[in-house]
Amino acid sequence: NAGVTQTPKFQVLKTGQSMTLQCAQDMNHNSMYWYRQDPGMGLRLIYYSASEGTTDKGEVPNGYNVSRLNKREFSLRLESAAPSQTSVYFCASSVWDSYNEQFFGPGTRLTVL
Amino acid sequence: ILNVEQSPQSLHVQEGDSTNFTCSFPSSNFYALHWYRWETAKSPEALFVMTLNGDEKKKGRISATLNTKEGYSYLYIKGSQPEDSATYLCAPGSARQLTFGSGTQLTVLP
Repeated sequence: NAGVTQTPKFQVLKTGQSMTLQCAQDMNHNSMYWYRQDPGMGLRLIYYSASEGTTDKGEVPNGYNVSRLNKREFSLRLESAAPSQTSVYFCASSVWDSYNEQFFGPGTRLTVL
Repeated sequence: ILNVEQSPQSLHVQEGDSTNFTCSFPSSNFYALHWYRWETAKSPEALFVMTLNGDEKKKGRISATLNTKEGYSYLYIKGSQPEDSATYLCAPGSARQLTFGSGTQLTVLP
């Protein structure tokens, strides 16, 4: 039982390049989330998917797109990377219930030059 | 977007000391309050989920209380150990979203 997995672990991009961050969970969770973590700012929600087939914007969605490919997988795409998107990205998943306890992946450290 | 404040931002304590930190959040429309523990180079891990005013949770030497009417939660660590060194995040939220505070970074010195 791997929990929440993310690929890649590290990535360096040049400004304007695109890439997709992958996330998968094997806990049969309905809901999945993408956060970014910047120094002094805590975790900020980019997008979430309450269930397969639905996605919603979070606090900081600009510059990102997401795809809920199936119940297990939720990807985050940067179409044209900018230095301001240099961050650590975390994927999380949860059962869709009133408690919403979230389980986090190991993170992807992205640097945009 | 909820305004979640945690204090202090960081603190250093000696091994064996007890410590506590605060999470403040808007008390209106409260649903649930989460505490997470985040060790360096790892992922955040859930400690507690609290929903009721006056709720208290305990896990070993770590405990938490919740006051939904005034909008705050306290996290207590009794007899801190070096392995307690981590960032402690609080996150009020609903079934849809959690809003994370910026955390309290605890360093326990041996």
